[in-house]
Amino acid sequence: SQQGEEDPQALSIQEGENATMNCSYKTSINNLQWYRQNSGRGLVHLILIRSNEREKHSGRLRVTLDTSKKSSSLLITASRAADTASYFCATGGTSYGKLTFGQGTILTVHP
Amino acid sequence: DGGITQSPKYLFRKEGQNVTLSCEQNLNHDAMYWYRQDPGQGLRLIYYSQIVNDFQKGDIAEGYSVSREKKESFPLTVTSAQKNPTAFYLCASSRRGSQNTGELFFGEGSRLTVL
Repeated sequence: SQQGEEDPQALSIQEGENATMNCSYKTSINNLQWYRQNSGRGLVHLILIRSNEREKHSGRLRVTLDTSKKSSSLLITASRAADTASYFCATGGTSYGKLTFGQGTILTVHP
Repeated sequence: DGGITQSPKYLFRKEGQNVTLSCEQNLNHDAMYWYRQDPGQGLRLIYYSQIVNDFQKGDIAEGYSVSREKKESFPLTVTSAQKNPTAFYLCASSRRGSQNTGELFFGEGSRLTVL
């Protein structure tokens, strides 16, 4: 079953702007991960945040997690055209690797 | 370079035929997974294996079968019993146990079209 729901489904911005994507989930989690998928390709892991963490940074990426609201956000700062892709959140329970994916946000960054 | 190799990248099948998708990894990962992706949707888990000679059904296992005879290989067979097999299939692997960071490593996918 799909646990994560992402919002918005599609996001279109100009290069240099920030992009924010949100993910909500239903049950308790062990960790939450974000993945990127270029069109027709496999997924690439971006960042993992554990349930006892509230914020994490990696380069131009900032992830927040609010377990009381069962939600997470992914912020990409100073977007580039190369950031154009689909972004998925995935939640992990007690069994690492058995992830449940959201439906994704399609991000388009215009040069 | 270490990674996951899926083949073929594109596959066409007639109704009623079984097809097998290959997934090989040289990352020395114990766990392997098969996901299905339909257009505009997220990934749904078909089967997963945490160790050689053992595998479990995921959320949508009906019409699919797998084997795990070697650590490096986790082939997926799409049988004629799968009612809507046209989809993008993704294989992934991960570490297991105390060395597991929770990250999945994905192959480039196999696109199956039923004619």
